[in-house]
Amino acid sequence: QVQLVQSGAEVKKPGASVKVSCKASGYTFTSYFMHWVRQAPGQGLEWMGVINPSGGSTSFAQKFQGRVTMTSDTSTRTVYMELNSLRSDDTAVYYCARDAELNRPWSLAVAGVCWFDPWGQGTLVTVSS
Amino acid sequence: QSALTQPASVSGSPGQSITISCTGTSSDVGAYKYVSWYQQRPGKAPKLMIYDVSYRPSGVSDRFSGSKSGNTASLTISGLQAEDEADYYCSSETGNTTLAFGGGTKLTVL
Repeated sequence: QVQLVQSGAEVKKPGASVKVSCKASGYTFTSYFMHWVRQAPGQGLEWMGVINPSGGSTSFAQKFQGRVTMTSDTSTRTVYMELNSLRSDDTAVYYCARDAELNRPWSLAVAGVCWFDPWGQGTLVTVSS
Repeated sequence: QSALTQPASVSGSPGQSITISCTGTSSDVGAYKYVSWYQQRPGKAPKLMIYDVSYRPSGVSDRFSGSKSGNTASLTISGLQAEDEADYYCSSETGNTTLAFGGGTKLTVL
């Protein structure tokens, strides 16, 4: 079955960087985009961006541009999300979420015409001095 | 502040039907048809329940249905069950090359 397994919880100091991994299994890795969504404690969901594992193209929400990097490794079927210059308000659970549509046009995915299934289990990133 | 507005909470008794609204603007929900709904149980990852306004993924109960009228999308759950108690989020493209989520609605099954 399709499964996304994320790396474990992280504690970082303000100004540091964090890199979260998401290992996929059970489907053709390069045929589906991977998105990242975060959720601050007790808050709602926030879309961060998307990566095409086939080729590595990325697109980010304006809020995160310049501070986030997304990469993929097809040999290990793993995508990564790195967030730099961490602040206390970056404390959140970070989810990877596979695009639900096979071979969705990239132009639609970056325009937000997308939905996600399944999701990883989430990775708690705590930013505290 | 979310771009899409949902009620903070709704409740219903087992067997009843409830509807959760998701109100946007003519620039998002009203203009586009790709509204999705997610269920999130406490401590768990979200689960896709509805996409393209009214389509159910395989495996999702037909007690869940979606619709849209003007700038408001709706998720209806019929025959409420205790297991439906969760947070529900809508999402839609915004026309600003991004995707927005609603603030979430906590469903309590009385």
